[in-house]
Amino acid sequence: DAGVTQSPTHLIKTRGQQVTLRCSPKSGHDTVSWYQQALGQGPQFIFQYYEEEERQRGNFPDRFSGHQFPNYSSELNVNALLLGDSALYLCASSLKRFTDTQYFGPGTRLTVL
Amino acid sequence: AQSVTQLDSQVPVFEEAPVELRCNYSSSVSVYLFWYVQYPNQGLQLLLKYLSGSTLVKGINGFEAEFNKSQTSFHLRKPSVHISDTAEYFCAVSEKTSYDKVIFGPGTSLSVIP
Repeated sequence: DAGVTQSPTHLIKTRGQQVTLRCSPKSGHDTVSWYQQALGQGPQFIFQYYEEEERQRGNFPDRFSGHQFPNYSSELNVNALLLGDSALYLCASSLKRFTDTQYFGPGTRLTVL
Repeated sequence: AQSVTQLDSQVPVFEEAPVELRCNYSSSVSVYLFWYVQYPNQGLQLLLKYLSGSTLVKGINGFEAEFNKSQTSFHLRKPSVHISDTAEYFCAVSEKTSYDKVIFGPGTSLSVIP
């Protein structure tokens, strides 16, 4: 049983560019959450998707957007990249009720130059 | 708004010694509480969680935590640590009224010394 997978593993972009990160949830999970983890800090909640809709959102600007597909996989899009967007982006999957265990992927390391 | 404080950013401890990692939270409503571990260059793994019931929660790898509502704390303990426990540990909270959103603490770096 495959766990949560994310692609790509690493990514280097320049300021102003746009980036798309991808996540495939654990088999049987229908909810995907995205987190940003800056170096030396705890993960910060970006948003969560369930039934192809954004269900909750953290304190992130509209430059951060997402999508969930019918097969429950998800994308995180970031527009107009800033240097401060450099971070590890984590995807977590769970069942509908969050109180179920969230399973995290290995993350995508984004570097903005 | 909810928040999580982890008082110790770094905790060095000798192998086979006991360890306690401290976590305090702030919330105006009832909460769910979690401890996650992150090994270098990896994602997060759930150690244990408190949803309701017994305030003493046992998790994987010999870890346990105790929920103290009056002190708004959820400290993580292990009676005897191993080299393999060296990692970053994160305490997290979600409000029962909004269980979709999880707030993480800044993390505690546990270093086990041989």
